[in-house]
Amino acid sequence: EVQLVESGGGLLQPGGSLRLSCAASGFTFSSYWMHWVRQVPGKGLVWVSRINSDGSSTSYADSVKGRFTISRDNAKNTLYLQMNSLRAEDTAVYYCVRNGLSYYYYYMDVWGKGTTVTVSS
Amino acid sequence: DIQMTQSPSSLSASVGDRVTITCRASQSISSHLNWYQQKPGKAPNLLIYSASSLQSGVPLRFSGSGSGTDFTLTISSLQPEDFATYYCQQSYSTPWTFGQGTKVEIK
Repeated sequence: EVQLVESGGGLLQPGGSLRLSCAASGFTFSSYWMHWVRQVPGKGLVWVSRINSDGSSTSYADSVKGRFTISRDNAKNTLYLQMNSLRAEDTAVYYCVRNGLSYYYYYMDVWGKGTTVTVSS
Repeated sequence: DIQMTQSPSSLSASVGDRVTITCRASQSISSHLNWYQQKPGKAPNLLIYSASSLQSGVPLRFSGSGSGTDFTLTISSLQPEDFATYYCQQSYSTPWTFGQGTKVEIK
């Protein structure tokens, strides 16, 4: 079964740091681009970051650029999101998402259940 | 950034109704448009990719159309399990952006 399982969420104060992990199974992780998407409870979906299959190329939303770092360990089938200088507005459920590709069309075809990050003093 | 605007933001419909949700991009995105369904407390689920391709396992009552800036998601006969929030999303350029969502509620 194709599966993504996030971990590492929690409650922390503004200015703090956190590393999210996403364990992948059931597919060849090293062949897929991966994303992080977040969602404030009751609000819409927001793309956060993307990494290519070998980790050599990354992209970020302006709101997290310079504070968040996406990375991966293909030997461990694990995706990461290092979150620094956290703000209250980073409070959200963070989803790990697999990038699907058909011809040259991209989409998000497998989602984890999400991990909750709460930034509050 | 490409802005995605969905309409309506919410709708009430009955089981068996035909439902149409519209998504408009702020610039042409060709067919780089995806649709997702999200139920409360759950992760989103991919329904349609490249504007009109049905994801494996998704019921045939779901269909998508459009290209350029205007897109439509249609549910041909609404079923009880379809009451959820639907999001469009463009994958034409980074940052990938989502519409604000359309909540489909029971009438």
